[in-house]
Amino acid sequence: GQQVMQIPQYQHVQEGEDFTTYCNSSTTLSNIQWYKQRPGGHPVFLIQLVKSGEVKKQKRLTFQFGEAKKNSSLHITATQTTDVGTYFCAGPRSGGSNYKLTFGKGTLLTVNP
Amino acid sequence: NAGVTQTPKFRILKIGQSMTLQCTQDMNHNYMYWYRQDPGMGLKLIYYSVGAGITDKGEVPNGYNVSRSTTEDFPLRLELAAPSQTSVYFCASTGVINYGYTFGSGTRLTVV
Repeated sequence: GQQVMQIPQYQHVQEGEDFTTYCNSSTTLSNIQWYKQRPGGHPVFLIQLVKSGEVKKQKRLTFQFGEAKKNSSLHITATQTTDVGTYFCAGPRSGGSNYKLTFGKGTLLTVNP
Repeated sequence: NAGVTQTPKFRILKIGQSMTLQCTQDMNHNYMYWYRQDPGMGLKLIYYSVGAGITDKGEVPNGYNVSRSTTEDFPLRLELAAPSQTSVYFCASTGVINYGYTFGSGTRLTVV
């Protein structure tokens, strides 16, 4: 079945350093979404990318969707302690009824102040 | 708008007991989902619904049941609780297929 892999599983950075997490799908995705989950919280939708090669920015966060629509990345510039949490990517499950998202296992980011 | 509301927030069950996790959304979303989250394992889909009266199994449906009698409510039923069902359960909804899920705050369930 469709798999969405994320690397790294964990990342610890000093405040001010940059951070990148990568998402790879075994199949082509119609779109990719990113969510953030703070410790003890629930996932919160950040953004959706739809077009091949698309790049979107939200303040210090930059999201990219690969040309082949099988991979994506999230880059945070100059991390802050408020960036702590787990970042998940998710894409629509391929085949059959297309009503479900497949989530990656997430990348846990910790930031040392 | 309250968004997606889950109750209870915490629950401890004994093996073999039953319970219902409640999920209500006030956004008139057709699509609703139940996920479980275990440490380091991401989100696994238990059941989902594309509208009132329609439900279907996800990746890990065994030991659970759902119903969708109204657009707003999507309860998850555990019939015979087992330790393997110790997890955090999230309900989610969306009004547009596969776009921007809104999650509830979760139910932390421990089965002892």
